[in-house]
Amino acid sequence: SQELEQSPQSLIVQEGKNLTINCTSSKTLYGLYWYKQKYGEGLIFLMMLQKGGEEKSHEKITAKLDEKKQQSSLHITASQPSHAGIYLCGADRSPPGLVFGAGTILRVKS
Amino acid sequence: DAGVIQSPRHEVTEMGQEVTLRCKPISGHDYLFWYRQTMMRGLELLIYFNNNVPIDDSGMPEDRFSAKMPNASFSTLKIQPSEPRDSAVYFCASSYHGGNTEAFFGQGTRLTVV
Repeated sequence: SQELEQSPQSLIVQEGKNLTINCTSSKTLYGLYWYKQKYGEGLIFLMMLQKGGEEKSHEKITAKLDEKKQQSSLHITASQPSHAGIYLCGADRSPPGLVFGAGTILRVKS
Repeated sequence: DAGVIQSPRHEVTEMGQEVTLRCKPISGHDYLFWYRQTMMRGLELLIYFNNNVPIDDSGMPEDRFSAKMPNASFSTLKIQPSEPRDSAVYFCASSYHGGNTEAFFGQGTRLTVV
């Protein structure tokens, strides 16, 4: 079965700093999803990547899928307290449904 | 659309009792997924439906767990009898297709079995 490893497990950054979260798959990724979760709430979709080398941005968050399609990174520029939460990467599996990484807990200090 | 709606948001029950979690997917979505989230195991897929039909229930942990989708707008996940190790947050998600598309998640039901 496919496994996703996220790093780091947790991260504390000063407001205004940049940060990167990584997601590495044991198998080729055909659909890679980034979600954000606030404690006690559901998952909020951020971005989906499918093609090797693909890069997408939304506001100050950029996600990339490497050429070999086994790793993705999520980069946040000039972090803000609103960025705090748990970031989860998920991968399409066959049959349908997502396999998720363990998540990265992000705290942003003001 | 109000998104995926789950009820209740919180459930506390005694060991041995039956628990029923409810989900209303987004209208028009033909796939519905039930996930469980725990500290130890993270987010795990339990079962999914396509056009109201259960397709893959290999993630259901035990026979105590069952899920139904009587129509396109309603699904239930039942645990009978419940055990303390079932304590977790249960999420329902729906999507237009099974893959290559965003899945929309509900707010989850936090289940505590004492």
